[in-house]
Amino acid sequence: DVKVTQSSRYLVKRTGEKVFLECVQDMDHENMFWYRQDPGLGLRLIYFSYDVKMKEKGDIPEGYSVSREKKERFSLILESASTNQTSMYLCASLPGTGFSGETQYFGPGTRLLVL
Amino acid sequence: ELKVEQNPLFLSMQEGKNYTIYCNYSTTSDRLYWYRQDPGKSLESLFVLLSNGAVKQEGRLMASLDTKARLSTLHITAAVHDLSATYFCAVAYMEYGNKLVFGAGTILRVKS
Repeated sequence: DVKVTQSSRYLVKRTGEKVFLECVQDMDHENMFWYRQDPGLGLRLIYFSYDVKMKEKGDIPEGYSVSREKKERFSLILESASTNQTSMYLCASLPGTGFSGETQYFGPGTRLLVL
Repeated sequence: ELKVEQNPLFLSMQEGKNYTIYCNYSTTSDRLYWYRQDPGKSLESLFVLLSNGAVKQEGRLMASLDTKARLSTLHITAAVHDLSATYFCAVAYMEYGNKLVFGAGTILRVKS
């Protein structure tokens, strides 16, 4: 079974703090993604990576950065947390090119509260 | 602009009834996905639809894809309480690599 794990299920941080969210997958997938999920908005893509050290901006990258130093690990960084970044953060991974119909596998999510 | 619209956003139904969730998307796509999310849990893949006319069924759920109409449907047959969850459709766009654009989700509550 594919396993995608995230470092924390719940996190409380203060405005201005630097926040690290970690995601690890154990299936040697090339592609990894970070989304945020907000009620009524579905999932919105923040960043994704299709290879080690490669990254692409998603739809809402402002205020975030990412790091992928190893294939299995994809980190999301909030440089200076703000209250509007309070959200559920979901990591996902995807094998290969995705064009043959593989699906993204999601981690359990991190619920972040910024005070 | 890539847009995916789901409706309804909230659906309350009685056990045993049938209903359909609709997913419209704005730009031609080659792949459409349906996911299920239980409260407090992550997303679980239900169906991957790859071509026009594709139909997939799993238990009481059946998904179909009409690429010409840019429409996918998730049909629920004889609903049971265990189907209560949030359902998302997501569309992939070849020119954007593996990027998925998600609908807002449909919250389904099945009342016994």
